[in-house]
Amino acid sequence: EDKVVQSPLSLVVHEGDTVTLNCSYEVTNFRSLLWYKQEKKAPTFLFMLTSSGIEKKSGRLSSILDKKELSSILNITATQTGDSAIYLCAGWFGNTGNQFYFGTGTSLTVIP
Amino acid sequence: NAGVTQTPKFQVLKTGQSMTLQCAQDMNHEYMSWYRQDPGMGLRLIHYSVGAGITDQGEVPNGYNVSRSTTEDFPLRLLSAAPSQTSVYFCATTRDRGYTIYFGEGSWLTVV
Repeated sequence: EDKVVQSPLSLVVHEGDTVTLNCSYEVTNFRSLLWYKQEKKAPTFLFMLTSSGIEKKSGRLSSILDKKELSSILNITATQTGDSAIYLCAGWFGNTGNQFYFGTGTSLTVIP
Repeated sequence: NAGVTQTPKFQVLKTGQSMTLQCAQDMNHEYMSWYRQDPGMGLRLIHYSVGAGITDQGEVPNGYNVSRSTTEDFPLRLLSAAPSQTSVYFCATTRDRGYTIYFGEGSWLTVV
């Protein structure tokens, strides 16, 4: 069973649209959730969220975790072509080791 | 500040050959890991290490070996390459459990 599930798998929008990406996670031993943006190369860090429910913001991007729903959303407002990328969500589970599990990612394409 | 350095960036191997992907970090992080990324599969954990001399298996360890003789280096060995190991490989480090993951730039491996 997948510990982290992202939806949708892909999304195509027009510049200026607002998009919402979803990530659900398994509750067992959950500790934190991270969002990454991946263009042609390695993923780059966006946000880290915990069950505290505090919203994180950076420019046009924002994210929050809902511990009741066991999910997180990543919002991007006024999208630009530079937002086109794969957005990855990763959950950290457990007290030992380096047990990050990634979702399959959401591929976002922003059309001019 | 180099961060996480992976070599080589690109490699073509014949089935049955062996090779080592190198990973070095200068951030003095204890936690290091190797992921592979395949289309539609997200990032999957191969092996990880929580410190020098300590390694453990991730989700997809078969066909790979690792060692961690120093804090800085975490090489990934393919023992007998198979076409199923054609993938993009990322080395990553993190300061501690649940903290931000830093990725290397990736190694594109093709096994023919």
